[in-house]
Amino acid sequence: GAVVSQHPSWVICKSGTSVKIECRSLDFQATTMFWYRQFPKQSLMLMATSNEGSKATYEQGVEKDKFLINHASLTLSTLTVTSAHPEDSSFYICSAGRTSGGATDTQYFGPGTRLTVL
Amino acid sequence: GIQVEQSPPDLILQEGANSTLRCNFSDSVNNLQWFHQNPWGQLINLFYIPSGTKQNGRLSATTVATERYSLLYISSSQTTDSGVYFCAISRGSNYKLTFGKGTLLTVNP
Repeated sequence: GAVVSQHPSWVICKSGTSVKIECRSLDFQATTMFWYRQFPKQSLMLMATSNEGSKATYEQGVEKDKFLINHASLTLSTLTVTSAHPEDSSFYICSAGRTSGGATDTQYFGPGTRLTVL
Repeated sequence: GIQVEQSPPDLILQEGANSTLRCNFSDSVNNLQWFHQNPWGQLINLFYIPSGTKQNGRLSATTVATERYSLLYISSSQTTDSGVYFCAISRGSNYKLTFGKGTLLTVNP
């Protein structure tokens, strides 16, 4: 159990276009999902926390108008990188929080999406 | 914010050797997880261990919350154990994970 999928697994796009990444929890409901960004040979940096039915909470320094997050259901969150530029090229990873006893105590991660902006 | 430090940053082993990875954190936590990131980028949950000791096959972990550290033990290492091991913690009610910089483990045949 606790499987999280991401689609697409990789995408190459031209500068100025928008790219949507989907994150799904396949076998559990996730009230909260998280989006991370990872540069080569570096750690994961949290970008935003996505709550079902409400606006996402962005970390300091993350542009909310550039990285649009929608959490429309308990199993799906989407991240849209708008007007992508080469500096947005990165590995984007989502996670879904699994709740027990009222607390989101364990996060399960998707396989990641590698974005390359030309 | 809370600091997470992992050591060593890099570790090279011969197959069959044992190893200990360490995670120090600067404040009390209510969640600590260990992950293995494989060469394809997938993070695999190893342990949810805010305190105490757990074992799963060749892996075990111990967290001493009062002393603010956690240890991950890998015994009889295999080449498939290669990758980056991350420790991540959260505190408070927001459940946001803060990751350490990871330990890059290379197991040679």
